[in-house]
Amino acid sequence: NAGVTQTPKFRILKIGQSMTLQCTQDMNHNYMYWYRQDPGMGLKLIYYSVGAGITDKGEVPNGYNVSRSTTEDFPLRLELAAPSQTSVYFCASSETGATNEKLFFGSGTQLSVL
Amino acid sequence: ILNVEQSPQSLHVQEGDSTNFTCSFPSSNFYALHWYRWETAKSPEALFVMTLNGDEKKKGRISATLNTKEGYSYLYIKGSQPEDSATYLCAFITPNSGNTPLVFGKGTRLSVIA
Repeated sequence: NAGVTQTPKFRILKIGQSMTLQCTQDMNHNYMYWYRQDPGMGLKLIYYSVGAGITDKGEVPNGYNVSRSTTEDFPLRLELAAPSQTSVYFCASSETGATNEKLFFGSGTQLSVL
Repeated sequence: ILNVEQSPQSLHVQEGDSTNFTCSFPSSNFYALHWYRWETAKSPEALFVMTLNGDEKKKGRISATLNTKEGYSYLYIKGSQPEDSATYLCAFITPNSGNTPLVFGKGTRLSVIA
């Protein structure tokens, strides 16, 4: 299994540009998550999904959109990039979302908005 | 607002030293506590998921304890090695966390000097 795969690894955007961060997992996990990591801060949840066709807002959803058309894929869309969205983005998955279940993380996307 | 506090924020130890750090969380309505190890430029990886008061888990030279009544968990590393250098994240799950299923601390950054 490849696990959780994120692309791209690095990206620089200009203010106002849009882009999609891709995330795919091959473990048949139901739950998928998008987090952002800002310097000196804990991981903050942006959006999550409990299964195909279902998405929910996390703690910091503003400026982002997601979709979950298949179990495997959970792309994160930035429509109008802003400097405040400069961060490291992690996608993660878990099998059933049970509280005693660990998360599997992708390798991250480092995004800079200039 | 639920807060997960980790201390210290960072520490440097000599190779061979043993060390420990703390994760503090609200003691009411506890579901689970997760520990993750995050090496620079890699994905965070799960170390332990702990659910019961008094739980002790061990993986090689790394172990963790859990006290849900007083709201803390300790992570211990025995005989630190340079490859232990990483950020150690804890995350807490409670039914009161609303749309943020897993609340992460800011991490403890460990540097092991050879």
